[in-house]
Amino acid sequence: GESVGLHLPTLSVQEGDNSIINCAYSNSASDYFIWYKQESGKGPQFIIDIRSNMDKRQGQRVTVLLNKTVKHLSLQIAATQPGDSAVYFCAENRGNQGGKLIFGQGTELSVKP
Amino acid sequence: DAEITQSPRHKITETGRQVTLACHQTWNHNNMFWYRQDLGHGLRLIHYSYGVQDTNKGEVSDGYSVSRSNTEDLPLTLESAASSQTSVYFCASSGVGFPSTDTQYFGPGTRLTVL
Repeated sequence: GESVGLHLPTLSVQEGDNSIINCAYSNSASDYFIWYKQESGKGPQFIIDIRSNMDKRQGQRVTVLLNKTVKHLSLQIAATQPGDSAVYFCAENRGNQGGKLIFGQGTELSVKP
Repeated sequence: DAEITQSPRHKITETGRQVTLACHQTWNHNNMFWYRQDLGHGLRLIHYSYGVQDTNKGEVSDGYSVSRSNTEDLPLTLESAASSQTSVYFCASSGVGFPSTDTQYFGPGTRLTVL
């Protein structure tokens, strides 16, 4: 069925290491993807986005990679810090859905000091 | 600064009562959305609106209603609260003028408990 899924529900990394969070999507019509970070007790916070005409986009310490061939999205966090500990969601906009986003289940990132 | 707020932040109610959750944004966004978040289900869309007087059902709309009388507000009403509606509710908005019309910005959430 149509879904945005995450390969790993939890990810534990050492402080200072790089983190990679993966996401698979199933709808080839999706043209826009967003990564959100959600800390405990807070709403999802926008991190970075990417359109389907791009395969890479960089922000501050974060990079999103899009592989349309295998319908795969990843979020890379460089030099992971304790403040990066949170649940990370990918979301897709399926073009004709008028701005509606479909969210994945989320990956919990835990950063060990 | 422009923002999106929700009230109350926490609410406890009884089965059968009508409950209204408020959402207010000051970005002048056209699009507003309500989600619920439950363990094991991620964020699920309840209702959404693309402008004043426009409302649409999402994937889990049964038992909920919304109205959009102005740009800034999209209140969510539970007509007759049920225990299955115990959840955390998030409001979001999107619109022209931000990185992308499609990028949704979320409020802090309302934790609702139905006893």
